[in-house]
Amino acid sequence: KAGVTQTPRYLIKTRGQQVTLSCSPISGHRSVSWYQQTPGQGLQFLFEYFSETQRNKGNFPGRFSGRQFSNSRSEMNVSTLELGDSALYLCASSQQANTEAFFGQGTRLTVV
Amino acid sequence: QKEVEQNSGPLSVPEGAIASLNCTYSDRVSQSFFWYRQYSGKSPELIMSIYSNGDKEDGRFTAQLNKASQYVSLLIRDSQPSDSATYLCAAVLTDSGTYKYIFGTGTRLKVLA
Repeated sequence: KAGVTQTPRYLIKTRGQQVTLSCSPISGHRSVSWYQQTPGQGLQFLFEYFSETQRNKGNFPGRFSGRQFSNSRSEMNVSTLELGDSALYLCASSQQANTEAFFGQGTRLTVV
Repeated sequence: QKEVEQNSGPLSVPEGAIASLNCTYSDRVSQSFFWYRQYSGKSPELIMSIYSNGDKEDGRFTAQLNKASQYVSLLIRDSQPSDSATYLCAAVLTDSGTYKYIFGTGTRLKVLA
């Protein structure tokens, strides 16, 4: 059974640019959550999607957005990148939002 | 009070010893708890889930949930240097009928050969 796949694995962007990250969940999983991980802040919840609907959102500015498609694949977008957006972005999929979640390998974003 | 709290460590144990990792939680979280292991530069990997009071064993790992005292722990028996990693405790927060995972900041474990 394939795991959670995130693409790309690494990205280098310039301040002010925008970026789109992709996440393909485990087959049959309808819930996809996104997290930002930095050394100082740990794992911070961004948002959760279930059946194409955003059901929960963390405390991040509106520059961070996401969506989920009918096949449960999800994308997150960050516009007007700032240096502080440099982080490991992780997506996790689960059958329901309160059941076991499995992480992808992450996308390491560096903003210069 | 944070919803999920862990001691950041590092917790150092000799090879072969039992490592005990602890996590406390607030009233706001539900009764679903998870332990993840994260190696440096890698993504978190699910080790155990526990939903009911008591112990749950899986190989060298035992998760313990004590609802009265609001803590959950992870015991690693016969610790190996390969167990050296950061261990994240997670709980599900129920908010207006929706759920989200809340993670502790993690405890760094060092198993000394």
